Amino acid sequence: QVQLQESGPGLVKPSETLSLTCAVSGYSISSGYYWAWIRQPPGKGLEWIATIYHSGSTYYNLSLKSRVTLSVDTSKNQFSLNLSSVTAADTAVYYCARHNMRGSGWTQFDNWGQGTLVTVSS
Amino acid sequence: DIQMTQSPSSLSASVGDRVTITCRASQSTSNYLHWYQQKPGKAPKLLIYAASSLQSGVPSRFSGSGSGTDFTLTISSLQPEDFATYYCQQSYSTPLTFGGGTKVEIK
Repeated sequence: QVQLQESGPGLVKPSETLSLTCAVSGYSISSGYYWAWIRQPPGKGLEWIATIYHSGSTYYNLSLKSRVTLSVDTSKNQFSLNLSSVTAADTAVYYCARHNMRGSGWTQFDNWGQGTLVTVSS
Repeated sequence: DIQMTQSPSSLSASVGDRVTITCRASQSTSNYLHWYQQKPGKAPKLLIYAASSLQSGVPSRFSGSGSGTDFTLTISSLQPEDFATYYCQQSYSTPLTFGGGTKVEIK
């Protein structure tokens, strides 16, 4: 049974960098699949941020690409998100999730973490 | 970017009702379309993938149909545990995008 668990500070100051980690259990990241970050501002909809493969290949939402850095640590079976120069608009619940490639596109997000609320405030 | 438009944005229904939610894509997504259920304070849960395939463990009262730009999620007989917000999502191309959600409330 695959489980994903986000961790990181719940409060970040404006202009600083938001850093989150997603620990994966029950499945080896190195075995395949792609690993994503998705966020949801309070009371609003879902926004895909970016995806990483265990090889380090990355895919970004261009609206955030200039501020996003993804990394993967296969030895710890986890992957991470850094979002720089945050503002109040980055306040959201951040989810990590698993998906895959299919044909010329992608598959569904079939496993999600529980989410972690990050508030940007001084 | 492919825009996903859901309708209605909210609806009120009674237990036992048949409920239909629609999702329209701004361009064809073939069958790269998925449906999720989200309850307050919880992560989204996958219900339907590839437009019409039922995720393992999801009750058969949920079904999906459509291809190209127009898709529907149907709940054949609404149960108390189905009151939630439902999202469609396209995975045809990046950026991967979600619909704005449909909140199903108790009548």
